[in-house]
Amino acid sequence: AAGVIQSPRHLIKEKRETATLKCYPIPRHDTVYWYQQGPGQDPQFLISFYEKMQSDKGSIPDRFSAQQFSDYHSELNMSSLELGDSALYFCASSSGTPAYEQYFGPGTRLTVT
Amino acid sequence: DAKTTQPPSMDCAEGRAANLPCNHSTISGNEYVYWYRQIHSQGPQYIIHGLKNNETNEMASLIITEDRKSSTLILPHATLRDTAVYYCIVRGSNTGKLIFGQGTTLQVKP
Repeated sequence: AAGVIQSPRHLIKEKRETATLKCYPIPRHDTVYWYQQGPGQDPQFLISFYEKMQSDKGSIPDRFSAQQFSDYHSELNMSSLELGDSALYFCASSSGTPAYEQYFGPGTRLTVT
Repeated sequence: DAKTTQPPSMDCAEGRAANLPCNHSTISGNEYVYWYRQIHSQGPQYIIHGLKNNETNEMASLIITEDRKSSTLILPHATLRDTAVYYCIVRGSNTGKLIFGQGTTLQVKP
């Protein structure tokens, strides 16, 4: 079965640079969620989209922005990167919201040096 | 969303049942109990959810107390591949976001 695809899987950036993470949900899923997991920490909800509209917002820094496109894929844009942004970034998708089950992708590991 | 409390770690012998407790004493009437697990830096994986009644699927069983203030996730025959961090999450019916707490690190030993 098709799963959530995230790209790139690994990304290394320097401080003050910009990064773009991409998420391709499971076919026919219309909802996308973004989570950040710092080293040794639990996943933290950032933001979600349903039918291309922002549906919920968590503790996402103002330096970050995200959107969902017409084909339902989503991009998380991160500017003025800081060392503390180094983390695993997970995308999850579901059919409708709120849905009982969210399917998570493998994550993008971002390292800021 | 209601706060949950889980033991930080547990051990289980391979082949035996793993019983993972969760306290959610402030749960509201319309809030569900969800269980997810995360195997070593992989994306979290949905296990099971319930509202009032006990639930069972191919992965696990969920036992919710009558007052709904606590629940237990049961893995009937734990294997080494079940070693993971298990998260108990209480979520309302009007939101999709998952709020992950500390979780329980389950170590299945041979």
